[in-house]
Amino acid sequence: GDSVTQMEGPVTLSEEAFLTINCTYTATGYPSLFWYVQYPGEGLQLLLKATKADDKGSNKGFEATYRKETTSFHLEKGSVQVSDSAVYFCALSPGGYNKLIFGAGTRLAVHP
Amino acid sequence: DADVTQTPRNRITKTGKRIMLECSQTKGHDRMYWYRQDPGLGLRLIYYSFDVKDINKGEISDGYSVSRQAQAKFSLSLESAIPNQTALYFCATSDPRTGRDEQYFGPGTRLTVT
Repeated sequence: GDSVTQMEGPVTLSEEAFLTINCTYTATGYPSLFWYVQYPGEGLQLLLKATKADDKGSNKGFEATYRKETTSFHLEKGSVQVSDSAVYFCALSPGGYNKLIFGAGTRLAVHP
Repeated sequence: DADVTQTPRNRITKTGKRIMLECSQTKGHDRMYWYRQDPGLGLRLIYYSFDVKDINKGEISDGYSVSRQAQAKFSLSLESAIPNQTALYFCATSDPRTGRDEQYFGPGTRLTVT
């Protein structure tokens, strides 16, 4: 079945460091791909998404590119801030079904 | 005001008790979902409803039941709570008419079963 695999955390970085969180997926068809973020004590919020191969999603300085050849959707940010500390979830939606399949989540901690 | 609300936000209950978690939304979305979040496992789908008369089991529905009282309300029940149902529970909504797949989440209910 469809699945999402994320790099294990926690990821600990200093402020202004470069961030990469790896995400790979297994799916039949052409899923949409998402990154959601969960700040402490809150629900999940959509961070960015891509709906077809080679699309790049971006928001708040974060980017991810839908790579069908490597079945990947890695999250990147050039310069992280303390306020980016959160749990990040990669997810896919199988085409046409409007359901989400989540990865395990990666906790990011950014220190001043 | 939040578009998706959940009550209660925190609940401690004993093994064997019946408990209901409630979700309300003001987004006007037809589709609603219940997930549970466990450390290291991400979110797993318990039940989902595409409209008031359409309710479907998700990945982990055993031990749970749901009720879709109206377009805006979707409740999750644990008929006889057990300790391994201790988790963070999220409600979510979506609207397929937008052509987008994203879901909108409530703030979560932290449930502890002792």
